[in-house]
Amino acid sequence: GNSVTQMEGPVTLSEEAFLTINCTYTATGYPSLFWYVQYPGEGLQLLLKATKADDKGSNKGFEATYRKETTSFHLEKGSVQVSDSAVYFCALSLNYGGSQGNLIFGKGTKLSVKP
Amino acid sequence: NAGVTQTPKFRILKIGQSMTLQCAQDMNHNYMYWYRQDPGMGLKLIYYSVGAGITDKGEVPNGYNVSRSTTEDFPLRLELAAPSQTSVYFCASGEASNYGYTFGSGTRLTVV
Repeated sequence: GNSVTQMEGPVTLSEEAFLTINCTYTATGYPSLFWYVQYPGEGLQLLLKATKADDKGSNKGFEATYRKETTSFHLEKGSVQVSDSAVYFCALSLNYGGSQGNLIFGKGTKLSVKP
Repeated sequence: NAGVTQTPKFRILKIGQSMTLQCAQDMNHNYMYWYRQDPGMGLKLIYYSVGAGITDKGEVPNGYNVSRSTTEDFPLRLELAAPSQTSVYFCASGEASNYGYTFGSGTRLTVV
């Protein structure tokens, strides 16, 4: 079946450290891939996306590259800030008829950044 | 720009009671979704709709019902609430599958 696996948290980093959150997927066809962020007490917000192989999504210093050969979409940021503390969700959306574009989520990775 | 509006934000129900979670969007999106979020489990799709008058079950539909009489509104009905329905519920809407979705701020429901 279709699924998303992301690294378990929590992840605790010091400010200005490098961040990687791993995400791999299993899907039939050619999914679109997303990273969503959830700040405490809030809903999910779209952080970045990629719709085809080798696409790189980027936003707010975060980036992720759609790797079809390794079925991965790892999230990276070169220098994290305390304000990046949140839960990050990797997700995929299937683009073929019948799927209706439903998002399939990973379980989320909680990031805490210490000053 | 209201986006996706969910009401109420919090609710406590007794076992066996019923309630409707409201969701409204003002972006003229055809696609709308209801997810539940349980700790450490990510989000699970309950029901979705691809347009007014069209709804279908997601991964975890048991104990819930939906309707979509207008493009804007997509209420979720809980009949005979059970403790297993204690969760945070998110409504989302979107234009197409590869655009990403806009989420509401959620409804935290506790069934006691």
